Amino acid sequence: AQSVTQLDSHVSVSEGTPVLLRCNYSSSYSPSLFWYVQHPNKGLQLLLKYTSAATLVKGINGFEAEFKKSETSFHLTKPSAHMSDAAEYFCVVSVKTSYDKVIFGPGTSLSVIP
Amino acid sequence: DSGVTQTPKHLITATGQRVTLRCSPRSGDLSVYWYQQSLDQGLQFLIQYYNGEERAKGNILERFSAQQFPDLHSELNLSSLELGDSALYFCASSGTGRNTEAFFGQGTRLTVV
Repeated sequence: AQSVTQLDSHVSVSEGTPVLLRCNYSSSYSPSLFWYVQHPNKGLQLLLKYTSAATLVKGINGFEAEFKKSETSFHLTKPSAHMSDAAEYFCVVSVKTSYDKVIFGPGTSLSVIP
Repeated sequence: DSGVTQTPKHLITATGQRVTLRCSPRSGDLSVYWYQQSLDQGLQFLIQYYNGEERAKGNILERFSAQQFPDLHSELNLSSLELGDSALYFCASSGTGRNTEAFFGQGTRLTVV
C-alpha cells in the first residue's frame, strides 16, 4: 500500500528565511514523487517532480526537494521565503501498477510573515 | 494552462437537487481523478477512472457517482445535494508513462443553498 505523510499541517516563516516542508512516503513500488502548490482560490500547480535521475530536484520559484530513499522522505526547501510563497503545498506519490495511482498528502499551509 | 478542462467553473444550486460536473482530460491521458476540496476537510480523493473503468475509490458518498466515457471525458454526478456538499471539485488527469504527474483543472466551485 502507498501513503503520504506531511508532518506539519501549518508552517509559518518570516520573509527572507528558509522554508522546510516535510514529506514522508510509504510505497511497495518504486514511486514517483511530486510537490504541488495551491494558491488561495486557485487550482493546483506542479512545483517539481522526482524522476529517479537525480536525488536533488529543482523546481519553479526557487524550490527544491531531495529524495532520500533510506529515510523515505522528500522534503521541500527554499533558501529564502517570499510573501508570494504563502500557499498550500501538497506532497504526492504516484505509482504505476496496472494503472496509475496518485496519492496526495494532507497538505501543509505555509504562511510568510513580513 | 494544464490542458484539463472543467465545466462549469461555478455552479449554484438548491438542496435536494442534482448536478453534473464535466471534465475533459489532457489529450491522450487515460487516467482521470476527481477530488473534493472543502474548508473543513481539505483535499479529498473521490474516485479514479482509467480508460473507462473505475480503478480506485476514495471518500465518495453514495449520492455521488462518476463515469468515464469512450472519448475519455468524465462526469461527476452529485445528487440529493446538501449544504455540506458545497466545495471546490477538481478533476485531474495523468498519462501512462513513468514519472508522469497529474495535471489539474481549475475546478468547479459548487455552492449549495
